[in-house]
Amino acid sequence: GENVEQHPSTLSVQEGDSAVIKCTYSDSASNYFPWYKQELGKGPQLIIDIRSNVGEKKDQRIAVTLNKTAKHFSLHITETQPEDSAVYFCAASTTGNQFYFGTGTSLTVIP
Amino acid sequence: GAVVSQHPSRVICKSGTSVKIECRSLDFQATTMFWYRQFPKQSLMLMATSNEGSKATYEQGVEKDKFLINHASLTLSTLTVTSAHPEDSSFYICSARSSNRGEKLFFGSGTQLSVL
Repeated sequence: GENVEQHPSTLSVQEGDSAVIKCTYSDSASNYFPWYKQELGKGPQLIIDIRSNVGEKKDQRIAVTLNKTAKHFSLHITETQPEDSAVYFCAASTTGNQFYFGTGTSLTVIP
Repeated sequence: GAVVSQHPSRVICKSGTSVKIECRSLDFQATTMFWYRQFPKQSLMLMATSNEGSKATYEQGVEKDKFLINHASLTLSTLTVTSAHPEDSSFYICSARSSNRGEKLFFGSGTQLSVL
């Protein structure tokens, strides 16, 4: 089955700086890669996703890049704000099948 | 994004009782729903996958007689923790996927179960 690795497990940045979280996957058949933000005591919220036919996608301050050859994808958050502090999960999926999640990154934005 | 409603958000029960958690997709039809368990500061652990109208598929190590899943309609799935014990205390999260939402996965808000 698929194996998704996520790094780093914890990340602290100063407010206004950028944050980058990286994930790798093992199954070349995976074609959908979402990112989720989870705040304490809440369910994960989909923040951005990318499909395998696209190399990059951007939505305001967040962007995701995908390198299919190297089997890795990354989340980029620019101009970080304290409200960006949360746990972020990456995931990989193949159409119609289950989602495989990374182990999560706890992001702290220091005011 | 799509809305998945999960209730209750928090439940405290005595050991030996059963607890039912509901998961509803409010604005789309969920062909597949997933149930996860999450321990503090850990990732999501898939418990089972359910498709509307059919029996749930449980992951290895998950007791199907203890965690009863029913997906009776395209908008509702329930997880019943039967004869709950303190070791069942955890954060349970449902998620729903719909083919007409581009196969995207949306999560409920989670249920914190505490068994005394």
